[in-house]
Amino acid sequence: EVQLVESGGGLVQPGRSLRLSCTASRFTIEAYTMNWVRQAPGRGLEWVGFIRSNLNGGTTEYAASVEGRFTISRDDSKRIAYLQMNSLKTEDTGVYYCSRAPRFALLASDYWGQGTLVAVSS
Amino acid sequence: IQLTQSPYSLSASVGDRVTITCRASQVIGNYLAWYQQKPGKAPKLLIYGASTLQSGVPSRFSGSGSGTDFTLTISSLQPEDFATYYCQQLSGHVSFGGGTKVEIK
Repeated sequence: EVQLVESGGGLVQPGRSLRLSCTASRFTIEAYTMNWVRQAPGRGLEWVGFIRSNLNGGTTEYAASVEGRFTISRDDSKRIAYLQMNSLKTEDTGVYYCSRAPRFALLASDYWGQGTLVAVSS
Repeated sequence: IQLTQSPYSLSASVGDRVTITCRASQVIGNYLAWYQQKPGKAPKLLIYGASTLQSGVPSRFSGSGSGTDFTLTISSLQPEDFATYYCQQLSGHVSFGGGTKVEIK
């Protein structure tokens, strides 16, 4: 079955950096827009950003709250999408999910990872 | 684009018909999806394109609307449907509604 697995989360101090990985199994990511979505403890879902497929330019879009601090990239050959998070703030704390968005679904996410927890605290 | 979901929460019984609404601050065509999320789990796609049922999702779930006003309907609530539901717009920058928690009455 299709699987996405996030890794790289953990406890980090404010102002530091962290890189999350999203590894795909049983499918290749090259045809998909790859998303990152986060959820603060007890709160709703917040879109972080996405990277389009290289077929569609491989460009990125970000939420205003992370623009300039976070960078999404992809390595289709390794089936991995990345989220580089710099200048972390306490409000970045939460569970980070990656998901894939097929074109047929008008970019809605049909498969999600289980999430990885990022805690930003001194 | 802001998405306003209502109600914030609701209490319902098994077998009830449940309706959740989502209003967008701008016209988004049919670029709207609905997700179900249970505690400690990733969201699950229910509806995309405002009204297309995702493969494997029970037919008691349906979506309607276009432009700015959208609805998710559960025709006969089942025990496994108690969860939080989110709408998501995908027109330009992505955003989610605030969520609707469906609880047991």
